[in-house]
Amino acid sequence: EVQLLESGGGLIQPGGSLRLSCAASGFTFSNYAMNWVRQAPGKGLEWVSTISVTGVGTHYAASVKGRFTISRDDSKNTLFLQMSSLRVEDTAVYYCAKDVDSSGAYGIDPWGQGTLVTVSA
Amino acid sequence: DVLMTQTPLSSPVTLGQPASISCRSSQSLVHSNGDTYLSWLQQRPGQPPRLLIYKISNRFSGVPDRFSGSGTGTDFTLKISRVEAEDVGIYYCMQATHFPRTFGQGTKVEIK
Repeated sequence: EVQLLESGGGLIQPGGSLRLSCAASGFTFSNYAMNWVRQAPGKGLEWVSTISVTGVGTHYAASVKGRFTISRDDSKNTLFLQMSSLRVEDTAVYYCAKDVDSSGAYGIDPWGQGTLVTVSA
Repeated sequence: DVLMTQTPLSSPVTLGQPASISCRSSQSLVHSNGDTYLSWLQQRPGQPPRLLIYKISNRFSGVPDRFSGSGTGTDFTLKISRVEAEDVGIYYCMQATHFPRTFGQGTKVEIK
């Protein structure tokens, strides 16, 4: 069974940094692009970042570019999101999610349960 | 960025009746390889999203056949032929043809 388990969320002050992790199991992690998607309280889904197979290609939403860095450790089947210069508007549940296939055409599934990041003074 | 616009934003439906959600993109979602990377996701209350439909009209593994997708280019539709209680939730369209990937605002399906 494919499983994605996020960790690292919590309460952080504006301007601070936080590193999210996503432990993957049940599939060959290195064969798939991975994503971070966030959802502010009571709001819709916002794509944050995608990292390609091998990690060479990375993409970011304009709202986080220059502040967030996505990375992966295929030897540990783990996806990361390093977040810095955090803002109140970054408050959200952060989901780790797997591309269904290598092309990106088949969508994103499954999703982890999410980890809550709260940015507040 | 590709803007994804869903209508309606709320859809009260009687059990057993159909529901339909529209999703329009601000530009064509046809990829250079000829595929269209448009998918639909369902988010039940308190749950993470899950994939229902990919490439416009293909049901993902385990998705009931009462869910169907259609459309071309910039206009897409998700239909539920007969709404069941477990279908309550928020439905999102998502495009992955262009970066940044973008979602629609979400459509809340609830029982009347």
